[in-house]
Amino acid sequence: EPEVTQTPSHQVTQMGQEVILRCVPISNHLYFYWYRQILGQKVEFLVSFYNNEISEKSEIFDDQFSVERPDGSNFTLKIRSTKLEDSAMYFCASVPEVGAWAGQYFGPGTRLTVT
Amino acid sequence: EDKVVQSPLSLVVHEGDTVTLNCSYEVTNFRSLLWYKQEKKAPTFLFMLTSSGIEKKSGRLSSILDKKELFSILNITATQTGDSAVYLCAVEGGQAGGGADGLTFGKGTHLIIQP
Repeated sequence: EPEVTQTPSHQVTQMGQEVILRCVPISNHLYFYWYRQILGQKVEFLVSFYNNEISEKSEIFDDQFSVERPDGSNFTLKIRSTKLEDSAMYFCASVPEVGAWAGQYFGPGTRLTVT
Repeated sequence: EDKVVQSPLSLVVHEGDTVTLNCSYEVTNFRSLLWYKQEKKAPTFLFMLTSSGIEKKSGRLSSILDKKELFSILNITATQTGDSAVYLCAVEGGQAGGGADGLTFGKGTHLIIQP
């Protein structure tokens, strides 16, 4: 069964450094998402991406964040200058079309630790 | 702003008991309500509900949606220790133009099944 994959599984970085989290969505999916979950807190929507542009973003997704689909398969989240409070689990998700969330379309996550 | 409230936040029961988890929501342009089970990492999909009053069932788990009262319940009968997890409720709202809003999650119900 096709699945969303994410790399790395765990990333440790120093405050102020740039990080890129990578995701490979399911191949025929059209909508891509990033979520984060700070330890012990709820899953929060960051950004959605469709047709090579941001479709929607939350208040969390400020200027230090950016997303890209550089080569038609990877979907990346870049954090330009990491802060301690960026430490969280970051999940990528994809769906074939809007409203088609049925199924296990979340990736396994990347745990980001900022020291 | 979309909002999802789950109750209880935590629940401890004995194996064999039946549990009911609650989810109430406020969302603009409701599209669907989803239940996920989160054990260690990524949320794994359980149910997607779009219509009121139609019960969805999978083994010992079932769920129903009330769009008039804006809530859903997730029932688990004959609980087993493997049911121990955080159960997440999420809603999908939509932009008027059909854009790809992400899911809004509740804080989850932490369910512990004791042998």
